[in-house]
Amino acid sequence: DAGVTQSPTHLIKTRGQQVTLRCSPKSGHDTVSWYQQALGQGPQFIFQYYEEEERQRGNFPDRFSGHQFPNYSSELNVNALLLGDSALYLCASDGGETQYFGPGTRLLVL
Amino acid sequence: ELKVEQNPLFLSMQEGKNYTIYCNYSTTSDRLYWYRQDPGKSLESLFVLLSNGAVKQEGRLMASLDTKARLSTLHITAAVHDLSATYFCAVENSGYALNFGKGTSLLVTP
Repeated sequence: DAGVTQSPTHLIKTRGQQVTLRCSPKSGHDTVSWYQQALGQGPQFIFQYYEEEERQRGNFPDRFSGHQFPNYSSELNVNALLLGDSALYLCASDGGETQYFGPGTRLLVL
Repeated sequence: ELKVEQNPLFLSMQEGKNYTIYCNYSTTSDRLYWYRQDPGKSLESLFVLLSNGAVKQEGRLMASLDTKARLSTLHITAAVHDLSATYFCAVENSGYALNFGKGTSLLVTP
């Protein structure tokens, strides 16, 4: 049984560019959450998707947007990248008992 | 706003010793989670605590929850080097988002 998968693993972008990160949840999980983890900090909740709708959103600007597909996979889009967007982006899937995290995408904005 | 505070933030301990990490949170919540993170890696789920008085143990780690005091502890017994990692507690907010503490960076030395 594959766990949560994310792609790409690493990404380098420049300020002002746009980026799309991808996540596939664990088999049977229908809920996907995205978190941003800056270096030396705990993860911060960005938003959660359920049944292809954004169910809850954290304190992130509109530059951060997402999507969930019918197969429950999800994308995180970040527009107009800032240096401060450099972080590890984690996707988590929830089957009701706990949230399982993927390996993350490390984004560096130059 | 739900706040989660962990202490200590840094902990250096000798192999064979016992220690406790504390996690306080500011509002009532249904679930409390403990995660482990190795450097450059994602989050590994350790425990999910669901009710007052809950206690769970896995190997040298034991977690407990006191919902009245809004306090969870992660107790380490007879530490070994393999336990060196960063430990996060996280509290579920409104049933969806996880609010994380800043993490406790644990180093176990010979």
